[in-house]
Amino acid sequence: DIVMTQTPLSLSVTPGQPASISCKSSQSLLHSDGKTYLYWYLQRPGQPPQLLIYEVSNRFSGVPDRFSGSGSGTDFTLKISRVEAEDVGVYYCMQSIQLPKTFGQGTKVEIK
Amino acid sequence: EVQLVESGGGFVKPGGSLRLSCAASGFTFSNAWMSWVRQAPGKGLEWVGRIKTRTDGGTPDYAAPVKGRFTISRDDSKNTLYLQMNSLIAEDTAVYYCTTVDSGWYLLGSDYWGQGTLVTVSS
Repeated sequence: DIVMTQTPLSLSVTPGQPASISCKSSQSLLHSDGKTYLYWYLQRPGQPPQLLIYEVSNRFSGVPDRFSGSGSGTDFTLKISRVEAEDVGVYYCMQSIQLPKTFGQGTKVEIK
Repeated sequence: EVQLVESGGGFVKPGGSLRLSCAASGFTFSNAWMSWVRQAPGKGLEWVGRIKTRTDGGTPDYAAPVKGRFTISRDDSKNTLYLQMNSLIAEDTAVYYCTTVDSGWYLLGSDYWGQGTLVTVSS
């Protein structure tokens, strides 16, 4: 199985400040079709996960542009340019290049 | 409005069985690869398995921890996804989410998840 490793596991951010989460995969997520199958989800307290970013850097429908994704191969980053109160929750990266789909451990973001 | 509503969760003893259902509405269920993802209390997300559309063969795939014990099926006439769970162990205790995460519909602006149903395996 592909192991997804996120850092940090928790983050306390002042509103309006940036935040960054790293995700590293144990194997390259670059497919022969040219796409890289790395996703970012946010799970707010008591809610199911919601998709933020697909294929490394594409914002999902309705996701604010303060969220951005970058990276390639095995190293990826989710950035929030200016954290807002509604951004609290646990962020997960996920790979889908290979079954089973696997998730990172999650990064808990809280507001200072 | 799209809805995925899981049901069937509850308390079961080790070795027991449970069948979860996920009723879908608001989208063409028969066109969706459907999946189950679980989350143990206070833990992260774990992909359980998926089932393809009938058009794509209707075959399921499973994560190793559940293979041979869990069975995913679908009834497109009822717009319902199922998860039959047998030989349950304590490690299966989790909230089980029904989702279209394997459908690839994110490219169309869609990625659906239910609210989840809790399964507790304990003696």
